[in-house]
Amino acid sequence: QKEVEQDPGPLSVPEGAIVSLNCTYSNSAFQYFMWYRQYSRKGPELLMYTYSSGNKEDGRFTAQVDKSSKYISLFIRDSQPSDSATYLCAMSVNQGGKLIFGQGTELSVKP
Amino acid sequence: DGGITQSPKYLFRKEGQNVTLSCEQNLNHDAMYWYRQDPGQGLRLIYYSQIVNDFQKGDIAEGYSVSREKKESFPLTVTSAQKNPTAFYLCASTLPGLGNQPQHFGDGTRLSIL
Repeated sequence: QKEVEQDPGPLSVPEGAIVSLNCTYSNSAFQYFMWYRQYSRKGPELLMYTYSSGNKEDGRFTAQVDKSSKYISLFIRDSQPSDSATYLCAMSVNQGGKLIFGQGTELSVKP
Repeated sequence: DGGITQSPKYLFRKEGQNVTLSCEQNLNHDAMYWYRQDPGQGLRLIYYSQIVNDFQKGDIAEGYSVSREKKESFPLTVTSAQKNPTAFYLCASTLPGLGNQPQHFGDGTRLSIL
């Protein structure tokens, strides 16, 4: 069993839809949770960074962490074609430490 | 602008050949990382270095080697012992333990076998 499992996708939604991207994990020591967005043929860019449980909002993006269920989510409201990318969850035990990545979910937002 | 520069963007390797991928950062970050990305497998850690002249193996270090002679530079050599080198290679850096400094990535090198 992988330490971090991510819904494989691909996911295709119409413009304006609410998107939910999810990851589960098995290591209860993870405390730092990240979401990266990766456009084709580019490196990942950090989208959201959260510590411990709870919600964090940034514009149209909301990151949610439920440590009791070992489950994290990224919600995208009013999705745009420019949101079309692969989304990677990642987590670490220590701040700035070794990251464990999910497999990535490819999202396509259709105009 | 500060950032991570990887070169070349595309690289081709012949059988039995070693190739070196460059990674340079001007972010003054202490820690640097090399990841390999294959379709459907996310990112896997090859090597990492927390400080100059020191580095550790990651999860898939076999067939790879690194050096860290300067803070700004962390080159990765893909040796002939790596039998399946075709992948997208990503370099990252971070300041461990200081504020919110998760890893920043370069734009990758795509390596293929000729």
